[in-house]
Amino acid sequence: DAGITQSPRHKVTETGTPVTLRCHQTENHRYMYWYRQDPGHGLRLIHYSYGVKDTDKGEVSDGYSVSRSKTEDFLLTLESATSSQTSVYFCAIMGNPDNEQFFGPGTRLTVL
Amino acid sequence: AQSVTQPDIHITVSEGASLELRCNYSYGATPYLFWYVQSPGQGLQLLLKYFSGDTLVQGIKGFEAEFKRSQSSFNLRKPSVHWSDAAEYFCAVAINNNDMRFGAGTRLTVKP
Repeated sequence: DAGITQSPRHKVTETGTPVTLRCHQTENHRYMYWYRQDPGHGLRLIHYSYGVKDTDKGEVSDGYSVSRSKTEDFLLTLESATSSQTSVYFCAIMGNPDNEQFFGPGTRLTVL
Repeated sequence: AQSVTQPDIHITVSEGASLELRCNYSYGATPYLFWYVQSPGQGLQLLLKYFSGDTLVQGIKGFEAEFKRSQSSFNLRKPSVHWSDAAEYFCAVAINNNDMRFGAGTRLTVKP
């Protein structure tokens, strides 16, 4: 298994509170991604990173920010959580040139 | 617009029967193509991938997929399904490192 961990694995929070999800890799891969998974939508890209301090928006970036201060860590922040952000969040990494992504175990976030 | 379509939301097959899961994509160029499997509460595991060359690719767990350029399809097949294959299956396509799109998924149920 690719060395990817996500924390926390489960979180329940209230509307309007800030939330930070962490993705940690031990593979020293350059590319890291945050996706959300919702029924009927598959996975949709929120943000991605192509190196330390290099990030860009994905398909569904509104309401989310990211940071990558070290190669191994990629943080996803919901500045003010809303119920529409209730979802399962997956981190992924990619290190080879074949566009193959490896996924973490996911974080289930519930916003009440 | 770029899109990935998995026409079947849910498929039920009997154990030992053959399986085909459909995937169609809409992209200007031939993308990289992937099939992932997700068991309940788990992350995504790569089954197989296509980048170029032989259009019939073999993957793990006895799965194979065939790329048909003329039909913009990448269907997943297995000759004999096992009960442990029950899961959700996602087709994904990527044009570059920053743009991987997933289908909505097909949930597979296996009858004894």
